[in-house]
Amino acid sequence: LAKTTQPISMDSYEGQEVNITCSHNNIATNDYITWYQQFPSQGPRFIIQGYKTKVTNEVASLFIPADRKSSTLSLPRVSLSDTAVYYCLVVLNSGTYKYIFGTGTRLKVLA
Amino acid sequence: KAGVTQTPRYLIKTRGQQVTLSCSPISGHRSVSWYQQTPGQGLQFLFEYFSETQRNKGNFPGRFSGRQFSNSRSEMNVSTLELGDSALYLCASSDDRGQPQHFGDGTRLSIL
Repeated sequence: LAKTTQPISMDSYEGQEVNITCSHNNIATNDYITWYQQFPSQGPRFIIQGYKTKVTNEVASLFIPADRKSSTLSLPRVSLSDTAVYYCLVVLNSGTYKYIFGTGTRLKVLA
Repeated sequence: KAGVTQTPRYLIKTRGQQVTLSCSPISGHRSVSWYQQTPGQGLQFLFEYFSETQRNKGNFPGRFSGRQFSNSRSEMNVSTLELGDSALYLCASSDDRGQPQHFGDGTRLSIL
């Protein structure tokens, strides 16, 4: 079963680019990787999803190397409101879905 | 489009009691999953329902059960509550592909 690990915390300054990496071993070729943002007292909010190479949307990019043993969420030009906990979610698809969340990274954006 | 709605938002119970939590998915979503979030264990998958059938299950004891109705609304039941069941219980819904999942804001359950 896949295990996902993330750095516990990161600090950044407003306007900088932030990269958060998730390591996942034993991930199959057809697994999706999804990233979520969570604020206190709220549920996780979907940011981006993909399963190979690079995916970009209006708020973030997701980089997945060829060996798929890790993925990196990139947040361009962070602001104070991006202070939150970020989770990766590995979805194992072997006929049925199994959902495994990473340990979470607490991002603090400083002025 | 309305998001995932969970009720109640807060709940206090005592050991040995049972509790039922409710989740209304996004309109059109037939997949509903439940998660437990605690500071020590993080986010852990409980189970997923699709079209009224449990499609997948995590590693939780049988005290944790769920069901889904024909309108895709789902309930989760925990029997014989223990202190360790204190947690934020999150519900997520998705379309038939099962992903991405969209989460509600959870029910915070406190066991005294």
